[in-house]
Amino acid sequence: NAGVTQTPKFQVLKTGQSMTLQCAQDMNHNSMYWYRQDPGMGLRLIYYSASEGTTDKGEVPNGYNVSRLNKREFSLRLESAAPSQTSVYFCASRGISGANVLTFGAGSRLTVL
Amino acid sequence: QKEVEQDPGPLSVPEGAIVSLNCTYSNSAFQYFMWYRQYSRKGPELLMYTYSSGNKEDGRFTAQVDKSSKYISLFIRDSQPSDSATYLCAFYSGAGSYQLTFGKGTKLSVIP
Repeated sequence: NAGVTQTPKFQVLKTGQSMTLQCAQDMNHNSMYWYRQDPGMGLRLIYYSASEGTTDKGEVPNGYNVSRLNKREFSLRLESAAPSQTSVYFCASRGISGANVLTFGAGSRLTVL
Repeated sequence: QKEVEQDPGPLSVPEGAIVSLNCTYSNSAFQYFMWYRQYSRKGPELLMYTYSSGNKEDGRFTAQVDKSSKYISLFIRDSQPSDSATYLCAFYSGAGSYQLTFGKGTKLSVIP
């Protein structure tokens, strides 16, 4: 099925461990995004990639790195996980349209102990 | 003043009721106005979007934008238990920007 695929769906880490969240889209979209969603805070943009080869910081980039591996894939890396990074992470992609309509993945639930 | 304000609810209504969900915003540059629906433990999905002021209807859903008051609404007619979800408003200013601004979402429960 066409869409945005995120892996893993669930992950538990200890403080200080590292991990990478993977995201792939098969809609030939140019732009890709990583958000985190926390209770009471809504969706907050971590990083985005307007096109292959470019990445930019969003609202809450500290503690994260990203890689736009190719047009399909956009990964999010936590180098040294902290309990404050416990959250649900969503990847999204956007095609060419005037409205900046995003298609979201199903989410990755991360717990940092 | 926050850029976007949305009442988090929760909002509980009986099946068949008319639901009104609202957001206010402060950024005059916003040109596109969207509503996303998010079911529990799922990603948000686009429900409707409108450009500029006015109304847009899609089945039981109507999106309304009042740019002069910086106020948008989503109306759900004949609400169903399957409409139980969190509804997020979102805003986009247009060309040159790659970022949406989201409201925090309103949690809606439709009781059978």
